[in-house]
Amino acid sequence: RKEVEQDPGPFNVPEGATVAFNCTYSNSASQSFFWYRQDCRKEPKLLMSVYSSGNEDGRFTAQLNRASQYISLLIRDSKLSDSATYLCVVKRDNAGKSTFGDGTTLTVKP
Amino acid sequence: DAGITQSPRHKVTETGTPVTLRCHQTENHRYMYWYRQDPGHGLRLIHYSYGVKDTDKGEVSDGYSVSRSKTEDFLLTLESATSSQTSVYFCATSGQDSSYEQYFGPGTRLTVT
Repeated sequence: RKEVEQDPGPFNVPEGATVAFNCTYSNSASQSFFWYRQDCRKEPKLLMSVYSSGNEDGRFTAQLNRASQYISLLIRDSKLSDSATYLCVVKRDNAGKSTFGDGTTLTVKP
Repeated sequence: DAGITQSPRHKVTETGTPVTLRCHQTENHRYMYWYRQDPGHGLRLIHYSYGVKDTDKGEVSDGYSVSRSKTEDFLLTLESATSSQTSVYFCATSGQDSSYEQYFGPGTRLTVT
């Protein structure tokens, strides 16, 4: 079993749709959680950190459930520009080493 | 975003040759990381550094070495490149607290023929 597992993709949705991604992690001692976005042939870029209380940034909402060891990302009112691969990232120790999920590909269609 | 540059951005080399990739940052971040990204494997940590001259292995360190003689520079060396090291290599940095998010450089696309 992988340390960080994400929903298998791809997700193909129409503009305006709401889409949710889930991610589970196996190390209960994990410390920090993030969602990154990666466009084709580009570097990953931070989308948002994930806090225990849940957090929202515009159309994006991230939630963390430590008891069940999963993280979610909700995208509302999808735009064409949201098309990308979304990476779930878990920091697992004091050296800041991170484990990345394999990513979930989202394609938003007109 | 942290000012992170990588050089070269693209390289083609032959099996058995040594290769050094450079990562340079201008944010005075303490932590630096080298990852490789391959289809079906996602991003995997090769080596990381938690300060000048302080480095440690990641999950796929065989065949790679690193050095960090200055805060701003983190070098990744393939002593004798193999075709299995054909990949996209990303450098990342993180601030003074290791719980902070990581910022990535633009990547180096390496092909070993």
